[in-house]
Amino acid sequence: GAVVSQHPSRVICKSGTSVKIECRSLDFQATTMFWYRQFPKQSLMLMATSNEGSKATYEQGVEKDKFLINHASLTLSTLTVTSAHPEDSSFYICSARQTSGNTIYFGEGSWLTVV
Amino acid sequence: QKEVEQDPGPLSVPEGAIVSLNCTYSNSAFQYFMWYRQYSRKGPELLMYTYSSGNKEDGRFTAQVDKSSKYISLFIRDSQPSDSATYLCAMSARASGGTSYGKLTFGQGTILTVHP
Repeated sequence: GAVVSQHPSRVICKSGTSVKIECRSLDFQATTMFWYRQFPKQSLMLMATSNEGSKATYEQGVEKDKFLINHASLTLSTLTVTSAHPEDSSFYICSARQTSGNTIYFGEGSWLTVV
Repeated sequence: QKEVEQDPGPLSVPEGAIVSLNCTYSNSAFQYFMWYRQYSRKGPELLMYTYSSGNKEDGRFTAQVDKSSKYISLFIRDSQPSDSATYLCAMSARASGGTSYGKLTFGQGTILTVHP
């Protein structure tokens, strides 16, 4: 199947700093990418939907100024967690929808720990 | 009521058993149905997808959709210990005014353990 790469897979940052997570579709173009957060033993919680070249659409309760999403090309979307706090520690997962179809593929996820 | 209901289990079966995983949904606009497998601390892996009612088979996996009952299933034949994971059903409706589909709505996930 298609490959979606996330980087970094694990990151530790200090409180108050910002951290950027990249999501790349390696072998297909993705007009739409999605960012999720997952807590232990829970399902995925959609944070926002990003469309290439336009502003992201955030789900209710997700702070757009804290979780900055940029989708500058058809193969790359980034999530920046700004002024990170320990409660932002979580597993963040991106997914990408093929431009030529509807199939959605997920990245491997990124573990963020804020200390 | 959640839009998609999935029994979280856990489900434990012996190796070689047939596993049946199920989801029900309430939104009749859902037309695109998927099953993902997620191993611990990894991203979900797409197993199967289908648009229509009926059965779709791929190796040991069969996806079944009954739109009239708003019920989907995933069957795993000859289950293996390597199938131990969380299985997530997901579905989406057409985005308004377009031919593409919108965001995915997930079930809670069923934790499956296949023991030797």
